[in-house]
Amino acid sequence: AQSVTQPDIHITVSEGASLELRCNYSYGATPYLFWYVQSPGQGLQLLLKYFSGDTLVQGIKGFEAEFKRSQSSFNLRKPSVHWSDAAEYFCALSNGGYQKVTFGIGTKLQVIP
Amino acid sequence: EAGVTQFPSHSVIEKGQTVTLRCDPISGHDNLYWYRRVMGKEIKFLLHFVKESKQDESGMPNNRFLAERTGGTYSTLKVQPAELEDSGVYFCASSQRGEQFFGPGTRLTVL
Repeated sequence: AQSVTQPDIHITVSEGASLELRCNYSYGATPYLFWYVQSPGQGLQLLLKYFSGDTLVQGIKGFEAEFKRSQSSFNLRKPSVHWSDAAEYFCALSNGGYQKVTFGIGTKLQVIP
Repeated sequence: EAGVTQFPSHSVIEKGQTVTLRCDPISGHDNLYWYRRVMGKEIKFLLHFVKESKQDESGMPNNRFLAERTGGTYSTLKVQPAELEDSGVYFCASSQRGEQFFGPGTRLTVL
């Protein structure tokens, strides 16, 4: 069965510091991979996605993620965090097309001044 | 263009009562999905509509849950009778070309 693991439930970083959120997946082949963000009172917003090709994917709001097949990982990074990045981040995968999305448990990011 | 909307944003009901959640997808999106997040757990898939047909309902927890999408536009998810374990946030998503766009969710609390 496919699954997504986000080992960090809460992360606190200082504004301006770099950020890396970890994500590992279990899947028989190369899945479609996603990172979503949910700010308070908002829906889930897609930050970036990986389907194939270049393993370093650029997303919105200055985020990027790197697909590493050998490690079954898809970690999210940002070089300098802003206070507005405080939110909950979800790593997710699907079989592609219109298939259901399987989510990780989420990582809550707190940004301190 | 309006995004996916869900109503109500919050609902508090007592065990045994009935609640109906509504989702309005992005106009023109044939695919509509329901997901649920129970506190402290992952967001889990419930079901997938293509227009008015149920494409995949493998995630529906039991027969107390009934989803409909008459006319292939908005969808409702009815829980009858509600149990304590049904509490959580119910998300709706829609898509037309693969990417799923999510609504803000309905927070359901069953007391």
